[in-house]
Amino acid sequence: NAGVTQTPKFQVLKTGQSMTLQCAQDMNHEYMSWYRQDPGMGLRLIHYSVGAGITDQGEVPNGYNVSRSTTEDFPLRLLSAAPSQTSVYFCASSRAFRVAGDGGHEQYFGPGTRLTVT
Amino acid sequence: GESVGLHLPTLSVQEGDNSIINCAYSNSASDYFIWYKQESGKGPQFIIDIRSNMDKRQGQRVTVLLNKTVKHLSLQIAATQPGDSAVYFCAEIIRLDTGRRALTFGSGTRLQVQP
Repeated sequence: NAGVTQTPKFQVLKTGQSMTLQCAQDMNHEYMSWYRQDPGMGLRLIHYSVGAGITDQGEVPNGYNVSRSTTEDFPLRLLSAAPSQTSVYFCASSRAFRVAGDGGHEQYFGPGTRLTVT
Repeated sequence: GESVGLHLPTLSVQEGDNSIINCAYSNSASDYFIWYKQESGKGPQFIIDIRSNMDKRQGQRVTVLLNKTVKHLSLQIAATQPGDSAVYFCAEIIRLDTGRRALTFGSGTRLQVQP
């Protein structure tokens, strides 16, 4: 298993440009999510998906779009990049979160994409 | 420890000592908690988890304690090793406005192990 893969690893954008960060997992996980991590900070949830065709907003969704057409892929789109979106972006996957009691909520994280918007 | 504000709080320990990293959470409805370790340049890595109906869980060299009365979570690392140096995050599963559950992270603590 490759686990969770992300591309690209690094990206520099100009303000106003758009781009898509790719994320794929080969573990047949239902749950996938995108986080951003700013320097010295924890991870903040952008968007997440509990299965193909279903997406929801997290804590900081503005300026980002997602889609989940397959179980394996969960791309994150920046519609019009802004300097405030300079960050490291992590994709993660896991089995679906169910009512506490069955455990197994371990999330697997990708290596991250470092994005700079100038 | 040192540093507040924009910088992560830092815990510095000697190799071989025990480490205790603390985390406060705010959502009394959280039903599941996880500790993650993040090394420089890498994504977070799962360490140990605990359900809200438990107050203690042990793994290999790590113990997580949950005090729901004061909404406090701690991670104890026994016989700390240089390889334990990293940033540690607590995370909780909360229910968002959509009704679905999601994993949210605390701000993290940097652990520095002195040889």
